[in-house]
Amino acid sequence: KQEVTQIPAALSVPEGENLVLNCSFTDSAIYNLQWFRQDPGKGLTSLLLIQSSQREQTSGRLNASLDKSSGRSTLYIAASQPGDSATYLCAVNYGGATNKLIFGTGTLLAVQP
Amino acid sequence: GAVVSQHPSWVICKSGTSVKIECRSLDFQATTMFWYRQFPKQSLMLMATSNEGSKATYEQGVEKDKFLINHASLTLSTLTVTSAHPEDSSFYICSGDPTFSTDTQYFGPGTRLTVL
Repeated sequence: KQEVTQIPAALSVPEGENLVLNCSFTDSAIYNLQWFRQDPGKGLTSLLLIQSSQREQTSGRLNASLDKSSGRSTLYIAASQPGDSATYLCAVNYGGATNKLIFGTGTLLAVQP
Repeated sequence: GAVVSQHPSWVICKSGTSVKIECRSLDFQATTMFWYRQFPKQSLMLMATSNEGSKATYEQGVEKDKFLINHASLTLSTLTVTSAHPEDSSFYICSGDPTFSTDTQYFGPGTRLTVL
């Protein structure tokens, strides 16, 4: 069964800290992996998408890495800000006939001012 | 670009009634749309894959007769929750898989359903 797990489930850090969110997946034959942000009661905002052939992607203070062989991805947030407080979800796309996404369990991040 | 809208954004209904949620791709065509459900403090769970002009494909454990999906055009999919009950209260999110890209989906803002 294809499962996606995120650790930790919740994280609280003081403003300015660098932090790492973890995502692991049981089936390494992925097509791509995507990180999303979700604010309370809202939809999803795509942050970064990593293709299976790539090792990392960067956007501003965010850096996502991918290690297919170990079934892991990390999202690194540099110099965290209170505005980064949200739930972060990783989602794995196994490709094929559809682009069905399997979502991770999520990490609830709180950045304290 | 690649914007998806949902209507309504929230709805409250009585138990036993039916509720229709619309998902529209505003600036792209989507052969495939996906419907997800998210319970409080949980992740998104795929309910069904909706294909334009054909029957939807439902995930295991999702009742197709209760959650009716219609994908009549390349820009519109609808989800109807029939005979809603309080346990159907949830956040429903749709996404569109654009015909111009196979890499990602574009998500709607979600619909909060509360069944009394």
